[in-house]
Amino acid sequence: NAGVMQNPRHLVRRRGQEARLRCSPMKGHSHVYWYRQLPEEGLKFMVYLQKENIIDESGMPKERFSAEFPKEGPSILRIQQVVRGDSAAYFCASSPQLGETQYFGPGTRLLVL
Amino acid sequence: DQQVKQNSPSLSVQEGRISILNCDYTNSMFDYFLWYKKYPAEGPTFLISISSIKDKNEDGRFTVFLNKSAKHLSLHIVPSQPGDSAVYFCAASGTEGSQGNLIFGKGTKLSVKP
Repeated sequence: NAGVMQNPRHLVRRRGQEARLRCSPMKGHSHVYWYRQLPEEGLKFMVYLQKENIIDESGMPKERFSAEFPKEGPSILRIQQVVRGDSAAYFCASSPQLGETQYFGPGTRLLVL
Repeated sequence: DQQVKQNSPSLSVQEGRISILNCDYTNSMFDYFLWYKKYPAEGPTFLISISSIKDKNEDGRFTVFLNKSAKHLSLHIVPSQPGDSAVYFCAASGTEGSQGNLIFGKGTKLSVKP
């Protein structure tokens, strides 16, 4: 029974490049959440998606960031034209239903040079 | 403005003793609280949760207490073991105006010494 899968685990990008982070939820989970953790900080909510729908993106920066959860395949968090301030750990979580416990993946550590 | 606060960045406890981690919140609309444990370079692992209709929930060595009037919750670990050494995050969520996003504290680093 695999948990939440995220890849890559580590990603290095130069300023101006694009970063794509992938998340496969636990089996049977249709709700996906993305969080970002800056150094010495707690996790900050970014976006909540169900299959093919963005439900809440109140934590997403207005520009350069987008997320999707297609009918088939993993959820993708995309960061265009990355800047050094985007360097952080990005965690994905999933739950079977809204309001139920969220289970986290191992995270993707993004480093922007 | 932090809605969930963990005022102790670190805590050191002797093996076998009780660890008490504290968390305060400001939003009275929060109705569900969780504790996660996190090891370096890993994702948070769910530990225990409590809904606002309860004041205590116990699971093995872990007990969470909720004091709604004080907007305070605590996690008790007894007896503490060296493997409990990790960063512990308190998180809260509410149904009013939210869609399931968790609000996290900054974490408390617990060190359990043998």
